[in-house]
Amino acid sequence: EPEVTQTPSHQVTQMGQEVILRCVPISNHLYFYWYRQILGQKVEFLVSFYNNEISEKSEIFDDQFSVERPDGSNFTLKIRSTKLEDSAMYFCASSERGGRNQPQHFGDGTRLSIL
Amino acid sequence: AQSVSQHNHHVILSEAASLELGCNYSYGGTVNLFWYVQYPGQHLQLLLKYFSGDPLVKGIKGFEAEFIKSKFSFNLRKPSVQWSDTAEYFCAVNPPNTDKLIFGTGTRLQVFP
Repeated sequence: EPEVTQTPSHQVTQMGQEVILRCVPISNHLYFYWYRQILGQKVEFLVSFYNNEISEKSEIFDDQFSVERPDGSNFTLKIRSTKLEDSAMYFCASSERGGRNQPQHFGDGTRLSIL
Repeated sequence: AQSVSQHNHHVILSEAASLELGCNYSYGGTVNLFWYVQYPGQHLQLLLKYFSGDPLVKGIKGFEAEFIKSKFSFNLRKPSVQWSDTAEYFCAVNPPNTDKLIFGTGTRLQVFP
């Protein structure tokens, strides 16, 4: 079964540094998402992306965050200047079509630790 | 505030016991409902989903869930759990007018042989 793959599995970064989390969605999927889960808290929506544009973003997704689809396969989340509170598990998801009646398929996640 | 609630944070069962995990949501209008499972060290996997139609939905691995609109609930059930069902279970809601998912806090299920 096709999978969403995320790299790296664990990223350790100094506070203030930029970090890029990478995702390869399922190949025929067109809609992409990032979620995060701070330890002990809920999985939270960050952003959705379609046709090279952000479709929707949460209040968490401020100017420090950006997303990009640099080529036909990768979907990246960049945090420009990391803060301690950015430490979390970040999940990428994709769906074949957008809209509400589509299941989202998740990757294994990247654990981001900010020191 | 609008939210998704999973009241059972940690459930411990013996094999063959029956399982019911609660999920309540507070969104009005038409919602889509999901249960995801995360086995240790693995990604979130879709167990089952409800969009419309029969409120009793069957998923993979013998799981089912019932949508009760009047109670704003979508509880997950399995008649007889196995040790391999040990995992974290997440209820998720797709509110009206968006395709983002709103997750509950998750329920950690431990099944002992």
